[in-house]
Amino acid sequence: GQQLNQSPQSMFIQEGEDVSMNCTSSSIFNTWLWYKQDPGEGPVLLIALYKAGELTSNGRLTAQFGITRKDSFLNISASIPSDVGIYFCAGGTDSNYQLIWGAGTKLIIKP
Amino acid sequence: DTGVSQDPRHKITKRGQNVTFRCDPISEHNRLYWYRQTLGQGPEFLTYFQNEAQLEKSRLLSDRFSAERPKGSFSTLEIQRTEQGDSAMYLCASSSSVGILRTQYFGPGTRLLVL
Repeated sequence: GQQLNQSPQSMFIQEGEDVSMNCTSSSIFNTWLWYKQDPGEGPVLLIALYKAGELTSNGRLTAQFGITRKDSFLNISASIPSDVGIYFCAGGTDSNYQLIWGAGTKLIIKP
Repeated sequence: DTGVSQDPRHKITKRGQNVTFRCDPISEHNRLYWYRQTLGQGPEFLTYFQNEAQLEKSRLLSDRFSAERPKGSFSTLEIQRTEQGDSAMYLCASSSSVGILRTQYFGPGTRLLVL
C-alpha cells in the first residue's frame, strides 16, 4: 500500500545530541502525526499537527507541518537514553479515516 | 487508566487453531481501528468501525479474519485456522470522528505467535 518516505531509516547518536528526522509524500495531507514505539508496545502519540506551517513542541520534541502539506519533520533536542525507539510519521486527510504510515526511524543512542 | 486496552497482550497458538483478541477503546471514541504490524514495518490497516458498523475492510483481511463491535464499544478480532504467516502484532486504535479529535490513539497491542 501507499507509504510515506521517512528518513533516515536509523540513527546512531551520542547522548546529548540533537536528532532530526522527516517524512515526505507525493500527496497532500491535512494531518501529520508523530508516534514513538518501544519494543513490544503500541505506538504512542508524541505530536499531532493540523495546520500547514504549524510548529508544535512537546518538551524536547518539536515538529512542523510543511507549508506544502506534503512533508513534516520531527526534532529531538539533547537526546537521552529513553529516547531510544522507533519513530513513525503518519499522514491523514479529512476525507479518509485511514492513516498513511512511514516505515519508521530507529533511534539508537551510543553509550 | 482511560487509554485503549487490549487483551491478551501475548498469544501463542498452534497452526490451525482459532484465536480471538479484544480491544476496549477510549470510552468517548466512536471510531475503532484494527492494524497488523510485522517487525520493521509500520502498522498496516485491517478494518475500521464507526460505532457498531464495520465501514471498511482491507484486502489484507482474508476470509479467515472477522471483526465485530456489537454494541459500539469493545471490539473483537478473530482469526480462524491460524497460519504461521499470521504471526504479528495486532494493534487496536480509537478516535473520535470530529475535527482534531480524529487523532488515533493506540493500545499496547496483542503479539501473536503461530507455531
